[in-house]
Amino acid sequence: DIRLTQSPSLLSASIGDRVTITCRASQAINNYLAWYQQKPGKAPKLLLYAASILQSGVPSRFGGSGSGTEFTLTISSLQPEDFATYYCQHVKNYPLIFGPGTKVDIK
Amino acid sequence: QVVESGGGLAQPGRSLRLSCSSSGFGVGDYCMNWIRQAPGRGLEWVGFIRGKGHGGSTEYAASVKGRFTISRDDSNSVAYLEMSNLNSEDTGIYYCSKSSNSYGYGGWFDLWGQGTLVIVSS
Repeated sequence: DIRLTQSPSLLSASIGDRVTITCRASQAINNYLAWYQQKPGKAPKLLLYAASILQSGVPSRFGGSGSGTEFTLTISSLQPEDFATYYCQHVKNYPLIFGPGTKVDIK
Repeated sequence: QVVESGGGLAQPGRSLRLSCSSSGFGVGDYCMNWIRQAPGRGLEWVGFIRGKGHGGSTEYAASVKGRFTISRDDSNSVAYLEMSNLNSEDTGIYYCSKSSNSYGYGGWFDLWGQGTLVIVSS
């Protein structure tokens, strides 16, 4: 099975900060990677797919990059509504795995 | 949108069936996934049922294989998750999510329901 790790697991940041989250896969997954945002008590929401394509309606301050085994999610200027937990997920093959998550909270 | 229902309290060893109703699209046209989240934990993919274009076959996570069954009713656009021999580790919020394709692999979870809570306890 492909394993995903995320770093950091907890990130404390301020409004306006540039934030970067890393997701690493245990083997190459091409660009079969998505990023989701989950706020407390809510369902996850797709932010980016194919590693770097912004889902419709998602603000352009969110960006993604990477291919193979290392991927990043960047928030260019953190906004109050961005405090949440972020998960990466690979969809290359069985089983579909989510990363352990990165919680972004207020510094 | 998708809306889950059917959650509740179940005793260990018993069964429970969850439903996922769709509007705006047919559940048979896309791969439909079930994902769960234990209290305070991360997301765990449970399984999926492929769309009609890929024969409606199913795949399951190892943790539920042989106990959980996913099916669907295309005429009513509802997907189901039948859970049997439940144990405490099955406690959590269960989400239904639509894949962006019919096959499953290579598809993104682009639409999620609000989730339904399952508690397994005596």
